[in-house]
Amino acid sequence: DTEVTQTPKHLVMGMTNKKSLKCEQHMGHRAMYWYKQKAKKPPELMFVYSYEKLSINESVPSRFSPECPNSSLLNLHLHALQPEDSALYLCASSQDFPGGGTEAFFGQGTRLTVV
Amino acid sequence: GIQVEQSPPDLILQEGANSTLRCNFSDSVNNLQWFHQNPWGQLINLFYIPSGTKQNGRLSATTVATERYSLLYISSSQTTDSGVYFCAVDPYNAGNNRKLIWGLGTSLAVNP
Repeated sequence: DTEVTQTPKHLVMGMTNKKSLKCEQHMGHRAMYWYKQKAKKPPELMFVYSYEKLSINESVPSRFSPECPNSSLLNLHLHALQPEDSALYLCASSQDFPGGGTEAFFGQGTRLTVV
Repeated sequence: GIQVEQSPPDLILQEGANSTLRCNFSDSVNNLQWFHQNPWGQLINLFYIPSGTKQNGRLSATTVATERYSLLYISSSQTTDSGVYFCAVDPYNAGNNRKLIWGLGTSLAVNP
C-alpha cells in the first residue's frame, strides 16, 4: 500500500474553474514533488519542495500554483487550465539529506480532465 | 546531461515466462530506481538499487554501476505484472536538485 495519499483520484474541471489537488505523506519525508504525466510518457517534474521551501520550479505556467502548508502536506492549486493540461498528476516524497535520500515514493495520482 | 535508455520498448509474454529488462545510463549516478506503473496509473517502487543485486519474490534487479547499466528480472510472469516499467536515476554531482532522470519505459503485456 502506498504511504503517499492523493485526492481526488479523478477530477473534471472547466477552463474557468479553480480546483486544488492534495497530497499527504506520513513517512517523515522532507522533500515533496509534483509530477505531470501524459499517456505513454514518463513522469515530468513540475515542482520540488525541500523542508517546506520551493526548491525547483521547472518553468511551470503560473496557472499551476504549488503550496506546502507543512512537512506532510502538498497542494497544487489549479486555475484557468487549458485542455492540454489534462494528464495524470502524481505526488511523490523522499527523504532529503546531504548526498542522498532521493528514493521516491509516489501516490496513486489524480487523473485530471480539463473541458 | 545524463541519458537513460530502456530496452526493449515493448514486450509481450505468455504467463509463466521469464524476462529481462535493461536500463543503460550515460553517466555516474547516486541512485537508481525501478518502478512498475500499473494500468490504473500508480507508480510502485520495485527497487532502489544504485549498485549490487536485490531480490523481492519473483523480481530481482542488478545494477553494475561501473558499466552503467541495470537489469530487472521477472520470473514466472503473471498477468498482474502487466504495465510499464520505468528506470529513473539521480545523477551524480547533481547537487541537491532532487531531479530524477527517467527512461521512456518498457511496456509489458502478460497474456494468460
